[in-house]
Amino acid sequence: GAGVSQSPRYKVAKRGQDVALRCDPISGHVSLFWYQQALGQGPEFLTYFQNEAQLDKSGLPSDRFFAERPEGSVSTLKIQRTQQEDSAVYLCASSPYSTGISNQPQHFGDGTRLSIL
Amino acid sequence: TQLLEQSPQFLSIQEGENLTVYCNSSSVFSSLQWYRQEPGEGPVLLVTVVTGGEVKKLKRLTFQFGDARKDSSLHITAAQPGDTGLYLCAGEWTSGTYKYIFGTGTRLKVLA
Repeated sequence: GAGVSQSPRYKVAKRGQDVALRCDPISGHVSLFWYQQALGQGPEFLTYFQNEAQLDKSGLPSDRFFAERPEGSVSTLKIQRTQQEDSAVYLCASSPYSTGISNQPQHFGDGTRLSIL
Repeated sequence: TQLLEQSPQFLSIQEGENLTVYCNSSSVFSSLQWYRQEPGEGPVLLVTVVTGGEVKKLKRLTFQFGDARKDSSLHITAAQPGDTGLYLCAGEWTSGTYKYIFGTGTRLKVLA
């Protein structure tokens, strides 16, 4: 498709389980971002990739969160030993260029709604 | 820590009224973007402002970037029910890294 695709759209997991969330960015987009969005709040930055390189992971809440983009296209956000406070919508966005080029549009997927029971 | 505060947090108005949403920070941003988000969907980019003092218009929406590039405003003229949604500002941060800092959001409801 032409847009950013995220899967699954909804994920329910029991506390303590591991989950993996997938993001398919727009083809050819260099930059990829992951965000966490609590209900009614603005998205919070988690991590940034330029191609396959993870240049900033300062927003990841703990070492239970891990993201990768091994071939510079599809990205996976993994959360280990999930906890209830991990419940949120996880958004992925891609943009065409790398750092140093300002004013880039971010194209967002529709997110994965994660619920931890 | 870079923070973007939006005000008001919630706004419920009648169709035809005007409104302004504010986005404020103590940090300087390279550019600032405004998004609108519908329930169950990702944010959709409305506009990007880059230069201090810049004003951009998108139909009934007017966006302004502060002279010091620390704040921005969104003004909607003659609001319509279709304007209902969550409005988000996002500052582009390029000092030492590359990321976008989102504001706290303004939830707008326009009543017919």
